[in-house]
Amino acid sequence: AQSVTQPDIHITVSEGASLELRCNYSYGATPYLFWYVQSPGQGLQLLLKYFSGDTLVQGIKGFEAEFKRSQSSFNLRKPSVHWSDAAEYFCAVSSGGSYIPTFGRGTSLIVHP
Amino acid sequence: DGGITQSPKYLFRKEGQNVTLSCEQNLNHDAMYWYRQDPGQGLRLIYYSQIVNDFQKGDIAEGYSVSREKKESFPLTVTSAQKNPTAFYLCASTRQGGNVLTFGAGSRLTVL
Repeated sequence: AQSVTQPDIHITVSEGASLELRCNYSYGATPYLFWYVQSPGQGLQLLLKYFSGDTLVQGIKGFEAEFKRSQSSFNLRKPSVHWSDAAEYFCAVSSGGSYIPTFGRGTSLIVHP
Repeated sequence: DGGITQSPKYLFRKEGQNVTLSCEQNLNHDAMYWYRQDPGQGLRLIYYSQIVNDFQKGDIAEGYSVSREKKESFPLTVTSAQKNPTAFYLCASTRQGGNVLTFGAGSRLTVL
C-alpha cells in the first residue's frame, strides 16, 4: 500500500526566509506526486504535481518541488516566504493503477514577521 | 465559475441524530470523494464514487452512508452509529481517471 510521511508537524520561518517542507512516500512504481495547500477553514488547493519528465516542477505562488527517486522524496521549496503563505501543506501520492491519492498528515507553516 | 459547493458550512448536531452534508459540483467530473479531516491526521477517505449509482467504501466508512443518484451530487450522511463525528468534512471531485482533486470549502460538523 502506498503511504506518505510528512515528518514535520509544524515549521516556523521568518518572512523572507527560504522554506523547505519534507515529504517521503512509499510506493513500488513511479508515483504521481502532489502538494496541496489549505488555508484555515477552507478546502485544499493544488500547488503543483509531478507525473513524469523533469524532476523539478514549478507550481503556483512561487513554489517548486523536486522528485528524488533514490530518496523517495518530493520536497516543497520556496526561496522567499511571504506572510500569506502561512497555511497547512499536504503532500499526496497516487498511481496510475490506484488513482485515489493518499495524503500525508500535513505540515503547518507559521510565518513570523 | 465551475466548482464544488458544500453546505452547510457549519452544522451542529445532538448525539443520536443523523445529519446529511451536501456536495454539488458543476465541473462535469465523473468521480467524487468524501474525506474527513481531524487535526494532525491529514485527510482520510470515507467514500468515493466513480460513476452514477455506484460507490465504494474508503478507509473509514463505518457510521457513514452516501448516494450518487446524479452526476453532480454526492451527499454524505453521518449516522448516529458514527462514534466520533465531530470533524471537518471535505468533498472533492476529479474527471474520470484523473489524479488531480478539486475540493469544496468543507463542512464543519460539531456534535453537542
